Order: sequence, then structure tokens, then C-alpha cells
Amino acid sequence: SAVISQKPSRDICQRGTSLTIQCQVDSQVTMMFWYRQQPGQSLTLIATANQGSEATYESGFVIDKFPISRPNLTFSTLTVSNMSPEDSSIYLCSVRTGQETQYFGPGTRLLVL
Amino acid sequence: RKEVEQDPGPFNVPEGATVAFNCTYSNSASQSFFWYRQDCRKEPKLLMSVYSSGNEDGRFTAQLNRASQYISLLIRDSKLSDSATYLCVVRSGGSYIPTFGRGTSLIVHP
Repeated sequence: SAVISQKPSRDICQRGTSLTIQCQVDSQVTMMFWYRQQPGQSLTLIATANQGSEATYESGFVIDKFPISRPNLTFSTLTVSNMSPEDSSIYLCSVRTGQETQYFGPGTRLLVL
Repeated sequence: RKEVEQDPGPFNVPEGATVAFNCTYSNSASQSFFWYRQDCRKEPKLLMSVYSSGNEDGRFTAQLNRASQYISLLIRDSKLSDSATYLCVVRSGGSYIPTFGRGTSLIVHP
């Protein structure tokens, strides 16, 4: 299993500002992902965080808006840049173990005013 | 057609009832199937994997029907604590990225 922590757990931000979310895992994992979940909606994959190289973004998400860092196998950050109210959502860090089970962090609840 | 479709519900059942959810998937090359549970304001957690031969874990039974491209989750003797959203997750053989369904909401009442 994997235990994941995220910081901050929640935040209220002004439009036009940026927020960086941190994800820490208690063990080294190869696969690390960032998801977004809006109320009543399914999880939407933003990107796969690759250690030592640029993240792989899904359709509709770009690096300028959601820059991601992954300096090692236990840590990653996601930045939500130049925020607008439409970015209000829950952002979840996730990792996958060798058994294909995905574990999720507790999420970061973001409200943009 | 969405890759993974679920009836969002809510399914409102009394304690002790048996309830079943289905989830359909569009990619016939899908290889891995899972049910996750998400409590209100919490992160999703793996409930069980779904194998070709079916999978049973206590009151929960998951089955796969490849011919009709759906998976099911059966909950027997529902408990109040079973109230949650149940997410269907499917991964195709050509991708390491799973697709999450929107979830089915279950409410078990006294």
C-alpha cells in the first residue's frame, strides 16, 4: 500500500493568483498522477508526473496552466496558475503500485473567488 | 458514447436490502476492472478488483461480462456504512491510464 499526504488540504484564492499543491508518498513509486474532480463529476486525469522529465498532459490540460514538478520518486507538486473561478475543484494526487492498485491522497479543495 | 458509463443514482435502499450496480464500458480491449468507493468529501479507495471469474469479498460480489461489456457490483445485507459513491474503473490493454466512471451514489437508510 501507499500513504499519501497533500498540502494544503484546502484553500480559498483570488482569481489571477497561483497555488502550488504538494504531494508526498511514504514509499518510492513509479507512477504518479494528478486528477481533478468537480462536484458530482468523475475523476479527470490532468497529467502523469514523470520523475526527471516533463509531465505527460492529457487533452485539455497544458503545462503553462498546470506546471508539475517531480524531483524524486516520493514527491510531486502541481501548480494551478492564473486561477479563475472555473478552476475551483478538488485536486487529487494518486500513485499506482506494482499490483495496479491506485491510491489517492486526501485531496486539496480549492475555491477561487 | 462515454468510455465508462454508470447510472449516477442515487440508489436509496433500506438496511438489509440487496442492491446491484452495473457499469458499461465501450473499449472491447479493456483488460483491468475495478470498483472503488468514495465517501463524501473523501478520496476514492479500492473496494475490489473484478476478475473474469468473478470476485467475492464478504457481502460484496463483483462480476465481469465481457460479451456485453459490463461489470457489476452486488451488495448483500446493506449496512448504513455502505452509503457512498461507487466508482467503476476500467483500463484498456493499450494504456496504463485507467478511466473512471462518474460513480453511482448509494444511500442506505434505517
